[in-house]
Amino acid sequence: GENVEQHPSTLSVQEGDSAVIKCTYSDSASNYFPWYKQELGKRPQLIIDIRSNVGEKKDQRIAVTLNKTAKHFSLHITETQPEDSAVYFCAATGATGNQFYFGTGTSLTVIP
Amino acid sequence: NAGVTQTPKFQVLKTGQSMTLQCAQDMNHEYMSWYRQDPGMGLRLIHYSVGAGITDQGEVPNGYNVSRSTTEDFPLRLLSAAPSQTSVYFCASTDAGGGVREQYFGPGTRLTVT
Repeated sequence: GENVEQHPSTLSVQEGDSAVIKCTYSDSASNYFPWYKQELGKRPQLIIDIRSNVGEKKDQRIAVTLNKTAKHFSLHITETQPEDSAVYFCAATGATGNQFYFGTGTSLTVIP
Repeated sequence: NAGVTQTPKFQVLKTGQSMTLQCAQDMNHEYMSWYRQDPGMGLRLIHYSVGAGITDQGEVPNGYNVSRSTTEDFPLRLLSAAPSQTSVYFCASTDAGGGVREQYFGPGTRLTVT
């Protein structure tokens, strides 16, 4: 099956700085790569996603890039705010597209 | 729309007891999944279903059973609870229309096995 690795496990940034979280995947047939934000005690919520036929996608302060050749994708958050503090998970769907394989998460802290 | 609902929110079991975690969705999604979330390990897939009557195993299926008799419901059964099954369990449904696979999560069930 698919193996997704995520780095770093923890990340602290000053408010207004940028944050970057990186993930790698093993199955070249994976074709959908979502990112989730999970606040303490809450459910994961989709914040942005990218499909394998797209190299970059942006939504306001959040962007995701995908390098299919290298099999890695990254989440970029610009102008970070304290409310961005949460755990972020990347995922990949694997060859069948029916299963989601998650990274182990990055705990982001934005320091005011 | 209620989205994805799960019951109960909290549960304490003794080792060896069995129970069913309920999950329902009202979005007419074909795909549904169960995950467990443990500290430092992200979300791991237990079982999933691509439609009524069809289920398959995920990464960590041992000790759990599922069935999918309707599109709406996808219960997870713990056959004989063990302390290693202490975790937070999330059910999710997936909108696969047009190739998009946005996944919606339920609020979770926090299970403790003593």
